[in-house]
Amino acid sequence: SQTIHQWPATLVQPVGSPLSLECTVEGTSNPNLYWYRQAAGRGLQLLFYSIGIDQISSEVPQNLSASRPQDRQFILSSKKLLLSDSGFYLCAWSAGSISYTFGSGTRLTVV
Amino acid sequence: QKEVEQNSGPLSVPEGAIASLNCTYSDRGSQSFFWYRQYSGKSPELIMSIYSNGDKEDGRFTAQLNKASQYVSLLIRDSQPSDSATYLCAVTYSNQFYFGTGTSLTVIP
Repeated sequence: SQTIHQWPATLVQPVGSPLSLECTVEGTSNPNLYWYRQAAGRGLQLLFYSIGIDQISSEVPQNLSASRPQDRQFILSSKKLLLSDSGFYLCAWSAGSISYTFGSGTRLTVV
Repeated sequence: QKEVEQNSGPLSVPEGAIASLNCTYSDRGSQSFFWYRQYSGKSPELIMSIYSNGDKEDGRFTAQLNKASQYVSLLIRDSQPSDSATYLCAVTYSNQFYFGTGTSLTVIP
């Protein structure tokens, strides 16, 4: 069966520090991968999606970037965090239109 | 731009009542339809999927799809306090998922 792992679960980082969030999927190959951010009490904001290695699309301009170094690994990064980067970050994977599964999320607080 | 609209709520129902959650979508070519439940501080989890017009029942949950009117709904029978959560509607088009902003449901004991 397929599983998705996302870590860390919580993170407190100072303004201006770098960020690296990692997501891996097991039990499938060539998944579509996604990064979302969710502000408190708000809907999902799609940040990046990837349909394959080196195929990453950005949905909103920001100081975040994404990379996919391996087929089932998706990384969200920032060189310098802003206060506004605080939120709940979710990784997800899909197999076409059949299924869409979220990771457990990372609660990021920038202080 | 593919639109998926949900009433943000909050929707409050007494314990044991039927909760009705609605979702409309803009693209007639949408193919698959899903309902996710998200507890506060947790990630969304899939509770129902529906692909053809009509009703689909799973325990206390019933998903209803009307492609002609472009809406999908979720009924929760015998609502329990543990059903209190935000419910997200998702629609697919060309293998891409589009999410609504969610409806907050509170079941009052």
